[in-house]
Amino acid sequence: DSGVTQTPKHLITATGQRVTLRCSPRSGDLSVYWYQQSLDQGLQFLIQYYNGEERAKGNILERFSAQQFPDLHSELNLSSLELGDSALYFCASSVDALTGGDTQYFGPGTRLTVL
Amino acid sequence: QQQVKQSPQSLIVQKGGISIINCAYENTAFDYFPWYQQFPGKGPALLIAIRPDVSEKKEGRFTISFNKSAKQFSLHIMDSQPGDSATYFCAARGGGYSTLTFGKGTMLLVSP
Repeated sequence: DSGVTQTPKHLITATGQRVTLRCSPRSGDLSVYWYQQSLDQGLQFLIQYYNGEERAKGNILERFSAQQFPDLHSELNLSSLELGDSALYFCASSVDALTGGDTQYFGPGTRLTVL
Repeated sequence: QQQVKQSPQSLIVQKGGISIINCAYENTAFDYFPWYQQFPGKGPALLIAIRPDVSEKKEGRFTISFNKSAKQFSLHIMDSQPGDSATYFCAARGGGYSTLTFGKGTMLLVSP
């Protein structure tokens, strides 16, 4: 158990809909990262938040957005869903210490299926 | 643009054999190279990591070999066991950012 929690575990929805994925980082971790995992693209970094502020952006679509709240939990919002958005979405957290290495701890993921 | 190339995509090794997975990177600003292990239905978990000031790091049966001039690094699993069957991802981080760039993964199957 990494200490990172994600809800829900599974989500089935229809095209055009909007969903929210939730992540609680490990106690004490200030950084939250969101990744999308699909069979053909592997693990793709989407976005990082550090202590409530956006720190880095990766391959995140404009239809997707995220935020990190004062209690450090994070939400990933996916809107106007398309079939191709079906994937595993992982949240990871870290202390965000750039010196001496920086382990990211991954949650169990949310499997999104868009029908 | 993929910045970390991983091979092979899949690998079958006999129990007791050596599993070798290779990665190559392009960005010379990368300064931290972790390997993650992922079992079906689980999130990736850090297995072992190396920084480029050393050429090798060993933890139990797992060894990372690092070749800075060739911009390549590899994971060796000695005495491979069926319980090692999982997907392995190499990754790289650097250039002032804490985000990781992952390879596409290698599905390892260790046959009994």
